[in-house]
Amino acid sequence: DTAVSQTPKYLVTQMGNDKSIKCEQNLGHDTMYWYKQDSKKFLKIMFSYNNKELIINETVPNRFSPKSPDKAHLNLHINSLELGDSAVYFCASNDRGNNNEQFFGPGTRLTVL
Amino acid sequence: ILNVEQSPQSLHVQEGDSTNFTCSFPSSNFYALHWYRWETAKSPEALFVMTLNGDEKKKGRISATLNTKEGYSYLYIKGSQPEDSATYLCALYGQNFVFGPGTRLSVLP
Repeated sequence: DTAVSQTPKYLVTQMGNDKSIKCEQNLGHDTMYWYKQDSKKFLKIMFSYNNKELIINETVPNRFSPKSPDKAHLNLHINSLELGDSAVYFCASNDRGNNNEQFFGPGTRLTVL
Repeated sequence: ILNVEQSPQSLHVQEGDSTNFTCSFPSSNFYALHWYRWETAKSPEALFVMTLNGDEKKKGRISATLNTKEGYSYLYIKGSQPEDSATYLCALYGQNFVFGPGTRLSVLP
């Protein structure tokens, strides 16, 4: 059973399009995250979200928005895609209150043409 | 804003060698320090979570220590094996997670 899953695994799209990446966790965690692996292979946090609060990294453009239909899902919606958005995006989850380890999804490789 | 540095950026060791690398941070203003192991084409996997100054954790041949007063954590690998080859990430959890750039370890058979 996959603990944290992401779809799609690969996404190729044209500049200017709007796209979504889905993330689901079946671990019962209260917090979910989105990360971007940048061109230098660094992991940069974009958002963290639980039922009570959304924490946004202020460097993330407002074209990116997280959407959580329920506790087990945190989808990433991207408007007006740009070439620089090409990257691997990772979803993760944990029980934040206990400083617990994060569990990561397999990543989604986004390519903007 | 937390700033996390890791050194060295990369290293190569021979199978059987023991090695260690460093995660450093300027402030102890965080709740926990995490170590993750990230193999190529896979997702990061948690190794340790440490919260207190002087914490030591061990899992098989891998261990870690935390010194919040002097601003560093060490990760040790005893008797490195080729399957230990990966990038080792350190992350601080404060308001949110801040990851270091990682140390890329290659263990040569």
